[in-house]
Amino acid sequence: GAGVSQSPSNKVTEKGKDVELRCDPISGHTALYWYRQSLGQGLEFLIYFQGNSAPDKSGLPSDRFSAERTGGSVSTLTIQRTQQEDSAVYLCASSLRTGLEKLFFGSGTQLSVL
Amino acid sequence: AQKVTQAQTEISVVEKEDVTLDCVYETRDTTYYLFWYKQPPSGELVFLIRRNSFDEQNEISGRYSWNFQKSTSSFNFTITASQVVDSAVYFCALSEGYGSSNTGKLIFGQGTTLQVKP
Repeated sequence: GAGVSQSPSNKVTEKGKDVELRCDPISGHTALYWYRQSLGQGLEFLIYFQGNSAPDKSGLPSDRFSAERTGGSVSTLTIQRTQQEDSAVYLCASSLRTGLEKLFFGSGTQLSVL
Repeated sequence: AQKVTQAQTEISVVEKEDVTLDCVYETRDTTYYLFWYKQPPSGELVFLIRRNSFDEQNEISGRYSWNFQKSTSSFNFTITASQVVDSAVYFCALSEGYGSSNTGKLIFGQGTTLQVKP
């Protein structure tokens, strides 16, 4: 597609369940980011993939969070044993090379943990 | 530590008024990039501008202008003759690292919600 695509757009889950959020970056973009936007908060960095390098996981809030990027393209963010504080909008972005480039964002996945 | 502060949480103006969104940053880097993004109600952040710390010239793009002052660590954004379509959340962001030390991450401020009333 022309832009960054995220699915699902909305996800409601019960506390303790696992969820998977998907991101399809713009074709050819080597850098992919996950950010979290909580109500009234700014954008919190979660994880960054750059080409074939090891991802920068420094922003993941706990070991319940993980992400992978297959074939240098699609990325999946997994949250295990979800908690209510995980409720937020999860935004994916991609760029040609690094964060010094313009980031293209998807519309996000609104996650609600009941 | 790097930090971006957008002190204005919400701003409300009437159409055609000028409005300035403030951004103050802290960084240990001597060179860096600053950004502004717009988040309309649809949720997708849209890139507005990227400014290199070397370049302190003000920039104007249509009704938008940016005032970068390295001495005060500020990168303010002004919308002239605001319109209802300008209503959105605006984020200021700072690159972490530069060149070989670039981590690829952007550090975002909390955002300023701008409401432009007709």
